[in-house]
Amino acid sequence: DAGVIQSPRHEVTEMGQEVTLRCKPISGHDYLFWYRQTMMRGLELLIYFNNNVPIDDSGMPEDRFSAKMPNASFSTLKIQPSEPRDSAVYFCASSLGGGIVPKLFFGSGTQLSVL
Amino acid sequence: QQQVKQSPQSLIVQKGGISIINCAYENTAFDYFPWYQQFPGKGPALLIAIRPDVSEKKEGRFTISFNKSAKQFSLHIMDSQPGDSATYFCAAANTGTASKLTFGTGTRLQVTL
Repeated sequence: DAGVIQSPRHEVTEMGQEVTLRCKPISGHDYLFWYRQTMMRGLELLIYFNNNVPIDDSGMPEDRFSAKMPNASFSTLKIQPSEPRDSAVYFCASSLGGGIVPKLFFGSGTQLSVL
Repeated sequence: QQQVKQSPQSLIVQKGGISIINCAYENTAFDYFPWYQQFPGKGPALLIAIRPDVSEKKEGRFTISFNKSAKQFSLHIMDSQPGDSATYFCAAANTGTASKLTFGTGTRLQVTL
């Protein structure tokens, strides 16, 4: 398996623009997580899905952020409008049957820079 | 609210030395404590994990020590090597009610020659 695939690897945009990050989880995994990594706050969970259904979005910073998982093999994280403080590395991770041992497999991340 | 506190923020260790990274948690419902290793440009990857029914778990040069009463756990890297230079994250989860991991803020480890 190719692992968790994220695109794009790097995104540079101007303040106010819409940004869409994409993720393809490992085939067969039933949990999908979106994390944001910054130097100040480390890894923060934004939202996670189980069987394509959002379970906990309490980490989504504000209404400018939204996430969807239309099917088991694809998820998006959208920021509209983007702001400089959104600059961070965004990771997608997936796992299988997260209840007992939630072993997460992370993608390589999307480095987002909002100018 | 920072539920998992990690220290130090950065660490420099000589080759062959012992690297020690500490974490403390607040939520007594946590019952799964993994450590993740992250190399530059990559996502974190699971390194080793422990559950609170044991006080220590060892895998090769990596050992987790767990103190349930103090709500603390630590990662020890014996005979540290330059290839161990990475950022290490501790994490915790309550596997009974949620599948999400709460991560510490990370420790940047540099192993020098």
